[in-house]
Amino acid sequence: GENVEQHPSTLSVQEGDSAVIKCTYSDSASNYFPWYKQELGKGPQLIIDIRSNVGEKKDQRIAVTLNKTAKHFSLHITETQPEDSAVYFCAASAGTGFQKLVFGTGTRLLVSP
Amino acid sequence: DVKVTQSSRYLVKRTGEKVFLECVQDMDHENMFWYRQDPGLGLRLIYFSYDVKMKEKGDIPEGYSVSREKKERFSLILESASTNQTSMYLCASVKGTGGGYGYTFGSGTRLTVV
Repeated sequence: GENVEQHPSTLSVQEGDSAVIKCTYSDSASNYFPWYKQELGKGPQLIIDIRSNVGEKKDQRIAVTLNKTAKHFSLHITETQPEDSAVYFCAASAGTGFQKLVFGTGTRLLVSP
Repeated sequence: DVKVTQSSRYLVKRTGEKVFLECVQDMDHENMFWYRQDPGLGLRLIYFSYDVKMKEKGDIPEGYSVSREKKERFSLILESASTNQTSMYLCASVKGTGGGYGYTFGSGTRLTVV
């Protein structure tokens, strides 16, 4: 079945710097790759997603890139702010015809003022 | 505002108790999921349901069961709680069967088994 690896497990940056989180997946049939942000005491919230027919997607300060050949995808956050501090999860779809996601182990991002 | 609501934020139960975790969604979603979240392990799928009265085992179903009698409600049952089931439990839902949509998560239930 699908396996998703996520790196790094923790990431500390200064406010204004960029942050990059990387994930790899194993199932070449995966076609949907969402990213979630989890703030303290809350459930994960979808922040951006990308489908396999697209190589890059951007939404203001966040962007996601997908390399299907290498089976990896990345989250890029530019001009980081303290409120970006959270745990970020990547995920990849598993199986066909059904919405099942396999999640990475999470990255704790700390943005220092 | 669309919502997935988990009935309890915090629960403390004793070893051997039968525990019910409730989840309700108001988005008319077909698919519902129960995950547990543990540090360093990410989110692991316990059970999911793609229709009323339908259920499928996820990656770690041992010690758990589920019930989905109505479309909006998905319950997770710990038949006999054990200390290794101390964890954060997250419910999620998503529409459709074709894939390519993001989940909506509840806020989670932090369960402690003593």
